[in-house]
Amino acid sequence: GAVVSQHPSRVICKSGTSVKIECRSLDFQATTMFWYRQFPKQSLMLMATSNEGSKATYEQGVEKDKFLINHASLTLSTLTVTSAHPEDSSFYICSARDLGTFVYEQYFGPGTRLTVT
Amino acid sequence: RKEVEQDPGPFNVPEGATVAFNCTYSNSASQSFFWYRQDCRKEPKLLMSVYSSGNEDGRFTAQLNRASQYISLLIRDSKLSDSATYLCVADQTGKLIFGQGTTLQVKP
Repeated sequence: GAVVSQHPSRVICKSGTSVKIECRSLDFQATTMFWYRQFPKQSLMLMATSNEGSKATYEQGVEKDKFLINHASLTLSTLTVTSAHPEDSSFYICSARDLGTFVYEQYFGPGTRLTVT
Repeated sequence: RKEVEQDPGPFNVPEGATVAFNCTYSNSASQSFFWYRQDCRKEPKLLMSVYSSGNEDGRFTAQLNRASQYISLLIRDSKLSDSATYLCVADQTGKLIFGQGTTLQVKP
């Protein structure tokens, strides 16, 4: 149980284009999903908290107009990197919390490696 | 000061050794803690949850000291497959704060 998928696993795009990343909880429902970014040899940094049916909450320093988050259902959240630049190249990982449990564990998707050329 | 601090290592140990990692956190409001394991270029995978004073699962033991604000992870009889980066994580009302990770390399 508690499986989270992400698509695509790897994407290369040109500077100025937009990229959409999907995060799905496969066998549980999640009102809240989280989006992280990880640069090489650094830890995961929370970018935003995605809430089903409402606006995402962004961490300080994360541009909400650049990183668009949509959480349309209890099993799907999407992150769109708009007008991507080479400095946006990173490992983007989503996580979800299982509504059906009373614990606070988050389960991570396999990540999306974005390279902007 | 980072909210969650870990010694990045690397820790190089022989198979069968016992190794311990420490982690300190600065926000006393943190209620739950976790150890995640992350392999190179992969997502973190939950290793252990720590809600009270400690938790044990096979060769892995986690301990929490709220007074001193530190969490430890002990790995006994280490295996080659234990080689990975171990992330100490504090939960602050649903937001996970990650340490930078401690790298473990178990050698034959």
